[in-house]
Amino acid sequence: QKEVEQDPGPLSVPEGAIVSLNCTYSNSAFQYFMWYRQYSRKGPELLMYTYSSGNKEDGRFTAQVDKSSKYISLFIRDSQPSDSATYLCAMLYNAGNMLTFGGGTRLMVKP
Amino acid sequence: ETGVTQSPTHLIKTRGQQVTLRCSSQSGHNTVSWYQQALGQGPQFIFQYYREEENGRGNFPPRFSGLQFPNYSSELNVNALELDDSALYLCASSSLMNTEAFFGQGTRLTVV
Repeated sequence: QKEVEQDPGPLSVPEGAIVSLNCTYSNSAFQYFMWYRQYSRKGPELLMYTYSSGNKEDGRFTAQVDKSSKYISLFIRDSQPSDSATYLCAMLYNAGNMLTFGGGTRLMVKP
Repeated sequence: ETGVTQSPTHLIKTRGQQVTLRCSSQSGHNTVSWYQQALGQGPQFIFQYYREEENGRGNFPPRFSGLQFPNYSSELNVNALELDDSALYLCASSSLMNTEAFFGQGTRLTVV
């Protein structure tokens, strides 16, 4: 079993929809939780990170962490075709350590 | 743009050859980490360098080695290339006690 699991998709939604992307993890030692966006043939781009449980909002993006369930989510409101990409969740035990990634979910937002 | 640059962008090598990939870190960052991303998968940690010393290593064989230079730029060397080494190699730049890591655009290595 992988430490971080993510549904590979693809997830196809119409423009303007609310998107929910999720990851589950097995190791309760993870403390920092990130979401990266990766366009085709590009490097991952950091979208958001959170520490411990709770919600964090940044524009159209909301990151949610539930440590008791070992479950994290990224919500995208008013999705746009430009949001079409692969979304990677990643986790850290401590600041500066290695990132452990999920396998990524491919999102397609159709006009 | 993250300020992290990698070279070359693409590379084709023959099985058994050696390859060197390069990364220039973002200004102010002293830590460089390397990741391997196979097609359709998430990145896998190879190793991390902090102030020219290896500071952690993932589950990769010794034929994967690295260097970090005084200006914090870094190299990834892979010897005796195998077909399974074909992947996107990503460099991430950060400060050691900071959670935010910024990635370069990657080097796509194809081994034939």
